[in-house]
Amino acid sequence: DGGITQSPKYLFRKEGQNVTLSCEQNLNHDAMYWYRQDPGQGLRLIYYSQIVNDFQKGDIAEGYSVSREKKESFPLTVTSAQKNPTAFYLCASSPSRWGEVYGYTFGSGTRLTVV
Amino acid sequence: AQSVTQPDIHITVSEGASLELRCNYSYGATPYLFWYVQSPGQGLQLLLKYFSGDTLVQGIKGFEAEFKRSQSSFNLRKPSVHWSDAAEYFCAVGGAGGTSYGKLTFGQGTILTVHP
Repeated sequence: DGGITQSPKYLFRKEGQNVTLSCEQNLNHDAMYWYRQDPGQGLRLIYYSQIVNDFQKGDIAEGYSVSREKKESFPLTVTSAQKNPTAFYLCASSPSRWGEVYGYTFGSGTRLTVV
Repeated sequence: AQSVTQPDIHITVSEGASLELRCNYSYGATPYLFWYVQSPGQGLQLLLKYFSGDTLVQGIKGFEAEFKRSQSSFNLRKPSVHWSDAAEYFCAVGGAGGTSYGKLTFGQGTILTVHP
């Protein structure tokens, strides 16, 4: 079945360490997105990519980095510069760069806890 | 810029009762509108979407939503709620172009609790 795979589901890291969250899709979707979810704050966009080798900052990109070297993959690195990294991270994809027309397919999320 | 508001943070209903979750958007032209549902610790699942045509949209799991341009609303409804409907529901809007090109903007979410 086609879908989006996020791994791992739970991730624990020590403060000051960088950590990379994986997101892989086999839907042949062009666009991919990373959102951060905190209780009561809805979904906030971190980064998005509409084509391979190109990506754009979202609303809360500080302290995060991404790459899009392959169409299927859009990993997110949470760097030590991110002040409050503990959160639930969601990856999504859309069939075309016009994500607002088609809507998104979401992965099942990664819960990152920094201690 | 586009924005969306879900006025109700938490709603509690009894099983079998009807449900209406509110969503208001801010956007000048005809928007693209979506409702998603999220179970605890899971990703979001698309319930239904609207971007043109009939203003009453049918979705999965017995949900429907009505687009009302005059009220800038896209409320989600279900005639009879089941205990399995307990989840968090998100309204999303897109289509404003400009800096919103290619992106959906999500509301804060409404948590639905269902009493037996």
